[in-house]
Amino acid sequence: QLQLQESGPGLVKPSETLSLTCTVSGGSISSSNYYWGWIRQSPGKGLEWIGNIYYSGTTYYNPSLKSRVTISLDTSKNKFSLRLSSVTAADTAVYYCARVDYYDTTGYPRVYFFDYWGQGTLVTVSS
Amino acid sequence: QTVVTQEPSLTVSPGGTVTLTCASSTGAVTSGYYPNWFQQKPGQAPRALIYSTSNKHSWTPARFSGSLLGGKAALTLSGVQPEDEADYYCLLYYGGALGVFGGGTKLTVL
Repeated sequence: QLQLQESGPGLVKPSETLSLTCTVSGGSISSSNYYWGWIRQSPGKGLEWIGNIYYSGTTYYNPSLKSRVTISLDTSKNKFSLRLSSVTAADTAVYYCARVDYYDTTGYPRVYFFDYWGQGTLVTVSS
Repeated sequence: QTVVTQEPSLTVSPGGTVTLTCASSTGAVTSGYYPNWFQQKPGQAPRALIYSTSNKHSWTPARFSGSLLGGKAALTLSGVQPEDEADYYCLLYYGGALGVFGGGTKLTVL
């Protein structure tokens, strides 16, 4: 059974960098069959997709966050990470990591979908 | 900016049927938006229910079904159970690997 677990500081000061890690068990992040993603949920904005990473290191970021986001892989530890710089109170949210499955259909763009999610971790931005 | 709209709240009686919808500010939702549906209970992570309009995950109860209805994506619950009380979110894709979530529907079973 695949499991994902987020970890990282629960409190970050404004203007600093938020750093979270997602540890994957029961499956390998080096598999070409999946992407790995970060999503956040805040009371004011609901669910927001932050970005994805493929085993090759290819990343896709939400344009609204792109200038501040970095997602990376650590295949030796079967983990992937999120860094969000210059945070403000608006970045206060529960952050989730998830696996992104996909399939290809001839003549159509690749189809992506979430299946497994971590339990989430609350990050509060405050001085 | 693209906006995905869901009913803020719905109420259904146990054993009844309810349909939740998901609309796009860009126009009619088609299968090319590959609609996804998620269920979230208080204090829990979202759980994937439906992908690509109507495909179920292995854990999705049979009473949940996805479709397109009147230019929107739809999630229908038939024979609603008390444990179906939750928030439900849709997700639409607008090309590429990232999607936009709807604001969620709070479903009350009463």
